[in-house]
Amino acid sequence: NAGVTQTPKFQVLKTGQSMTLQCAQDMNHEYMSWYRQDPGMGLRLIHYSVGAGITDQGEVPNGYNVSRSTTEDFPLRLLSAAPSQTSVYFCASRHNSPLHFGNGTRLTVT
Amino acid sequence: AQRVTQPEKLLSVFKGAPVELKCNYSYSGSPELFWYVQYSRQRLQLLLRHISRESIKGFTADLNKGETSFHLKKPFAQEEDSAMYYCALGRGSQGNLIFGKGTKLSVKP
Repeated sequence: NAGVTQTPKFQVLKTGQSMTLQCAQDMNHEYMSWYRQDPGMGLRLIHYSVGAGITDQGEVPNGYNVSRSTTEDFPLRLLSAAPSQTSVYFCASRHNSPLHFGNGTRLTVT
Repeated sequence: AQRVTQPEKLLSVFKGAPVELKCNYSYSGSPELFWYVQYSRQRLQLLLRHISRESIKGFTADLNKGETSFHLKKPFAQEEDSAMYYCALGRGSQGNLIFGKGTKLSVKP
């Protein structure tokens, strides 16, 4: 099993650009989530999903959209990137187990 | 409100010294607590969960409901323990975890 796979690993955007961070898991986990990691702030939950077709907001959802059309995939969309969204983004999944994390996407918005 | 507090941003110890990383939580229900570790620029990995009561890499953590704490301890720190450590609180069946802000452990030779 590959576990939780995130792409890309690195991305640089200009303010106002849009992009999608990809996340896929092959463990048949119902629950998936997106966190952002910032120095001194720990990990903060952006959005989560408890199954295909179901998504909900976390602690810091503004500026981000998600969808869950399949159990495997949970993409995170930035519609109009802002410098405040410069961060490391982690996708994670679980099913009656601790969270399994991806390797992260390091995003810089200039 | 649910909250996880890790009071130390940075903890520096010498190799062979005991180490304790503090974690306090606030939660009205029955907590599910975890410690995650992140080595330099890697993914977060589960280190411990309170229900398993096991020792991983020499680390242990005991849930103290009276003091609402879940401190991580190791009697003899090793250089390879240098990493970022996050305490996390689980909330029910939804699976959301609330993370503390993390403690960076530096073990000096």
